Amino acid sequence: QKEVEQNSGPLSVPEGAIASLNCTYSDRVSQSFFWYRQYSGKSPELIMSIYSNGDKEDGRFTAQLNKASQYVSLLIRDSQPSDSATYLCAVNTGTASKLTFGTGTRLQVTL
Amino acid sequence: DTAVSQTPKYLVTQMGNDKSIKCEQNLGHDTMYWYKQDSKKFLKIMFSYNNKELIINETVPNRFSPKSPDKAHLNLHINSLELGDSAVYFCASSADRADYGYTFGSGTRLTVV
Repeated sequence: QKEVEQNSGPLSVPEGAIASLNCTYSDRVSQSFFWYRQYSGKSPELIMSIYSNGDKEDGRFTAQLNKASQYVSLLIRDSQPSDSATYLCAVNTGTASKLTFGTGTRLQVTL
Repeated sequence: DTAVSQTPKYLVTQMGNDKSIKCEQNLGHDTMYWYKQDSKKFLKIMFSYNNKELIINETVPNRFSPKSPDKAHLNLHINSLELGDSAVYFCASSADRADYGYTFGSGTRLTVV
C-alpha cells in the first residue's frame, strides 16, 4: 500500500463548478497535511495546510481532514481555468521530519 | 528576492559524466531537502539536512552525494550519470521539521543522453 494515495485523474470540471480532490494516507500517526499546486514545468506551491479534524477555508479553497478515516480532501469552489494544474497531497508523520507526497491529481477546468 | 534558488535550471549531459546542482535559501530555515520528480510527477525524497547534519538518506545510489556547507546551502553532486537519472530535481527548505510545509526551489531538469 502506498503511503499517500491520490487518483491521478485527469479530473475535468466545468468553469464555475466545485472541484473535489481526495487523498488517503496510511500512517495513523501523521500530524500535518498539505496541498500543493504544481503547474506544468513549475515547482510545487503550498496552497493549504491542515492539522486538526474538520474544515479549513481560505478563499475559494477548503481543506477537509478526517484522521479516523485517514482522509484529507481539497475543495475548490468556483473553479477557474487558471486552477488547471496538478494537485499534490503531502503528509508529515512528524517522526521522520519529511513530507511524503502522493502522485498528484491533474485537474482540468474547462470553459 | 528568491527564497529558494537552484542552479542550473536545465542540465543536459552525457552518460558517465559528473555534475553538480546547487541550492541556496534565504528564509532562515534549518532544514533542507533534495527531492526527485520522475516523469509521472511523483516526488520522492532523497536527502535531508538539518543545520548541516544529514538526517535523511533514502535508498539512493552512492553516485549521489549531498553536501551542506552551512544551513543556507545544500548541493547535490552526481557521479557517473545514467539515463535513469533523468528527472527534475527539487531543492526545498522548511522550518521546524517540516511541520509547516516546504518552500521549493524552481527545480533543475536533468537530461542524460
